[in-house]
Order: sequence, then structure tokens, then C-alpha cells
Amino acid sequence: EVQLVESGGGSVQPGGSLRLSCAASGFSFTTYWMHWVRQAPGKGLVWVAKINSAGRITTYADSVTGRFTISRDNAKNTMYLQMNGLRVEDTAVYYCARGADDYSGNSGWLDPWGQGTLVSVSS
Amino acid sequence: SYVLTQPPSVSVAPGQPARITCGGNNIGSKSVHWYQQKPGQAPLLVVHDDSARPSGIPERISGSNSGNTATLTISRVEAGDEADYYCQVWDSSGDHPVFGTGTKVTVL
Repeated sequence: EVQLVESGGGSVQPGGSLRLSCAASGFSFTTYWMHWVRQAPGKGLVWVAKINSAGRITTYADSVTGRFTISRDNAKNTMYLQMNGLRVEDTAVYYCARGADDYSGNSGWLDPWGQGTLVSVSS
Repeated sequence: SYVLTQPPSVSVAPGQPARITCGGNNIGSKSVHWYQQKPGQAPLLVVHDDSARPSGIPERISGSNSGNTATLTISRVEAGDEADYYCQVWDSSGDHPVFGTGTKVTVL
């Protein structure tokens, strides 16, 4: 079974840091792009960041550029999101999702998604 | 960034069809993907590449895309179809996925 499991969420004060993890199983993790998508309470889905299969190519939403860093450890089948300088507006459920494989190119749909981990930023 | 517009809500009686639109500039030239999100759950892919259904998605769910509007259709709506639905395309200029504003489907 293809599965993604996020962890690392929690409550933090503005300016603080958190590192989210996404553990993958049931598929060849090393051949897929991976993404982080977030959803603020009662709001829609917003893409945050992506990373290529080898971990060498990353792209970020403007709202997190310079504060968040996406990375992956293919030996551990795990992706990460290091979040620094957190702001109140970063409060959201953060989902990891699988993107395209190396053979399909860098586009397309996201499937599957993890269950999400909640990040709450408040003073 | 590419903008996708969806109606905030759609209400439909059981057994009737529900049509959820996703508007975007010349969206017909892009591949559109649709997700279903039930309360407290992660999004679930229900249609990719305009009209293809992943394994396990019922035939009652279908998609189309032309001109400036893509449409997700649920024929013969059931209570279990009550959820938020999001469309998604790839923003080639920003090189990342873009999601629609989301539509809440309520079964009367």
C-alpha cells in the first residue's frame, strides 16, 4: 500500500522553528518528485514547496521563500520541511503529497496525500 | 500566477447530478485534476488529466475540459459525496501546481 505519514507539527511562537517529516512507503520513493501543500483553518489548498527525486532541485511559493527549506533523505524514504521564522499566517495543516515520477516529467497531479500535520503559530 | 475560480458551494438533491465548474484563462489547453476532501481528511484524487479516473473512483464521477471552463460531474449524487472539491492545474510559469478556490458540495 502506498502511504505517506507526516509528523513534527505542533504549537510555536512567532519567529520560532519546526521541522516536519514525511515518511513514505509502498512505492519507489527515489524516483518521485515530492510536494508540501498547506491548508489554513477553513481555507483552501495552497502549494508550498517541491523537490525532485534526487533532492537537487527545489522550488518554493513566494510566501515561504527564504524561510522554509525542503529536503529529502532517500536512504530513509523521508522528506522534510524545515520552517524558520514562522508567522501567524503559517498556521495550517501541512500535507505531503507525491508528485510525478522521473519518467513523466515535472508536472501533473498529486497522489497520494498524507493525513497532514497541524502547525499552529501564536503568541 | 494562474488563477482558478470555483463556485463556493453547490447544493443538490440525492440522485440528481452535481456539476462543479473550474474557470481559468484558456484552461482547455491545460490538464485539469480534481480532488475530493471530506471533513477532517486529506484530499483524494478523483480525476486526473481532465477525465481519467484513478482506480477505485466510481464511474458516477467524470470530468471534462474545454475553453475557459473545466467541469467535474457527479451523476446520481449520494450522501457520501458531500465534501469539498478542488481543481488543480500546473502553472507553467511558476513551475508548480495551482489549486482552485474549492467548492463545497451539500447533499440536500
